[in-house]
Amino acid sequence: DAGITQSPRHKVTETGTPVTLRCHQTENHRYMYWYRQDPGHGLRLIHYSYGVKDTDKGEVSDGYSVSRSKTEDFLLTLESATSSQTSVYFCAIRAGTLNTGELFFGEGSRLTVL
Amino acid sequence: AQTVTQSQPEMSVQEAETVTLSCTYDTSESDYYLFWYKQPPSRQMILVIRQEAYKQQNATENRFSVNFQKAAKSFSLKISDSQLGDAAMYFCAYRSADDKIIFGKGTRLHILP
Repeated sequence: DAGITQSPRHKVTETGTPVTLRCHQTENHRYMYWYRQDPGHGLRLIHYSYGVKDTDKGEVSDGYSVSRSKTEDFLLTLESATSSQTSVYFCAIRAGTLNTGELFFGEGSRLTVL
Repeated sequence: AQTVTQSQPEMSVQEAETVTLSCTYDTSESDYYLFWYKQPPSRQMILVIRQEAYKQQNATENRFSVNFQKAAKSFSLKISDSQLGDAAMYFCAYRSADDKIIFGKGTRLHILP
């Protein structure tokens, strides 16, 4: 157990509303990642963070923003949700030994945008 | 930008047999890490095996091994003595020097009893 919790685990919202997903870790890891998983697309990197207030874009960052004001929390925000953002969102922390940096994943947050 | 390609959306193997899942990647970097992750129906992602690009020796973890061909940018996963519990989605992943970790689209592996 890598001490990662995602909230909410399930959310249904309407197009145009803002949504924030939270990823919380208890082990003080520096690197955190947000992915979305869709059938036929695998996991696609949205944003990642390499420290407090240090974030960078991933493969599919349009329509998403992130914030990391403290080590343990990495927030993903959809400013105005669209139906194309219906997905399962996974947070991950990078841990592992010898700097190989394996990822440990949260349980996922299923978001439905109507 | 780096890309990861898994050309086999689905594969099937008989229980106790051996199967190889393919992965190719595109990069201009010389130092990087490669991974295989497994996602069973529970949806929890599990690391199967990792490979450092500077190591020529192929990584092995019990029944799982890789064939890492750096020049060809190929990183295949071999599963020996396949078991029913191996049924899952398998994702190949690449970690770049700027700490991005990107995944392929996955291969769904079916184990036939």
